[in-house]
Amino acid sequence: SYMLTQPPSVSVAPGKTATITCGGDNIGDKSVHWNQQKPGQAPVVVIFYDSARPSGIPERFSGSNSGNTATLTISRVAAGDEADYYCQVWDSGVDHWVFGGGTKLTVL
Amino acid sequence: VQLVQSGAEVKKPGSSVKVSCKTSGGNFSTSVINWVRQAPGQGLEWMGEFIPIFGTAKYAQKFQGRVTLTADKSTNTAYMELTSLRSDETAVFFCTTARSVVDPFDVWGQGTLVTVSS
Repeated sequence: SYMLTQPPSVSVAPGKTATITCGGDNIGDKSVHWNQQKPGQAPVVVIFYDSARPSGIPERFSGSNSGNTATLTISRVAAGDEADYYCQVWDSGVDHWVFGGGTKLTVL
Repeated sequence: VQLVQSGAEVKKPGSSVKVSCKTSGGNFSTSVINWVRQAPGQGLEWMGEFIPIFGTAKYAQKFQGRVTLTADKSTNTAYMELTSLRSDETAVFFCTTARSVVDPFDVWGQGTLVTVSS
């Protein structure tokens, strides 16, 4: 089955840029969605279809996807961005959703 | 759209649990209701989907045979039943909606904690 690989943790200073990767075999051929989950809360999609932002999500959140890596970029990171981030793709081979293992973003 | 799930449950190993997810707003029948499991401190795990307008369900292979997804269109409520619970299956279960089977999950329920303990 299709697997997505994320770094377990990323740390960044306030005001800097955080980059969270999601690796998968030819992931560039798939659509990637990114979900943010804060402690004790349900996830919220912050990027969908590789690079689209839902209404209400700051422009500081952006996404890209090419080759074997999809990337979530958060610019001008703030304390409120601390959360777990999960990438997600639809595996059309088996008609299943697949989540990455999640990346814990820590704002130093 | 809002999704409101049933409350926390404590279950014994070997028993079953049925979690409900009531939707308000939006079009329940044409939505896709997905269910996601999250063990304590762990990641998100897709369990399956239910499409009320067709009455069809699809399950992740890992849960095939133990999970049943249903819905009651008259009350706009979806259900997830998981049987043969194991002691290591304590988790939060989320329902979430999508516009189609390949669209992202746009609205999530608050989650239901199911504790499996003897």
